[in-house]
Amino acid sequence: GAGVSQSPSNKVTEKGKDVELRCDPISGHTALYWYRQSLGQGLEFLIYFQGNSAPDKSGLPSDRFSAERTGGSVSTLTIQRTQQEDSAVYLCASAGQGDSNQPQHFGDGTRLSIL
Amino acid sequence: AQSVTQLGSHVSVSEGALVLLRCNYSSSVPPYLFWYVQYPNQGLQLLLKYTTGATLVKGINGFEAEFKKSETSFHLTKPSAHMSDAAEYFCAFRRDTGRRALTFGSGTRLQVQP
Repeated sequence: GAGVSQSPSNKVTEKGKDVELRCDPISGHTALYWYRQSLGQGLEFLIYFQGNSAPDKSGLPSDRFSAERTGGSVSTLTIQRTQQEDSAVYLCASAGQGDSNQPQHFGDGTRLSIL
Repeated sequence: AQSVTQLGSHVSVSEGALVLLRCNYSSSVPPYLFWYVQYPNQGLQLLLKYTTGATLVKGINGFEAEFKKSETSFHLTKPSAHMSDAAEYFCAFRRDTGRRALTFGSGTRLQVQP
């Protein structure tokens, strides 16, 4: 597709369950970012992948959060043992080569609700 | 820590009036600056960006922003508001070294009254 694709668009799950969120970046984009958007915290950086380099995980809020990027393309964000405070919109973005001044292009997000 | 501050969580203007959304950054070195717009249930769409060079940046949908180093500001303007401009607007910055992720302001919700 032409843009960043995220799935599912909505996810409702019970507290304590694990969830996986998927992101398909724009073809050819080497940089991939995950952000979280919540009412109380605004937009927060979670994790950043750039090519084959080690990811920048400095924004992950706890060890229940992890992400991987397979083959330099698709990324999966996993939240284990979900808590109610994990309820938020999770946004993925990608950027092109030489991303120091390349804009990030965002998907429409996954709205996660923890019951 | 470096940050951006958006003054005014809600701004209301009449259709046809000037739109001014304020953003100030805190950085000893001018960073890369961006304005994004978010419509309901959608992701963020880039309006414009400042990297280097011309301090007046033109973006999509008639928006523009001026980088003022002396005031550490990057305010977003549009001469004449349209109903379709109603959305939430985020100012963001990114450093040119180290972490490449965006740091966002808290957002400004723009209402356009008929």
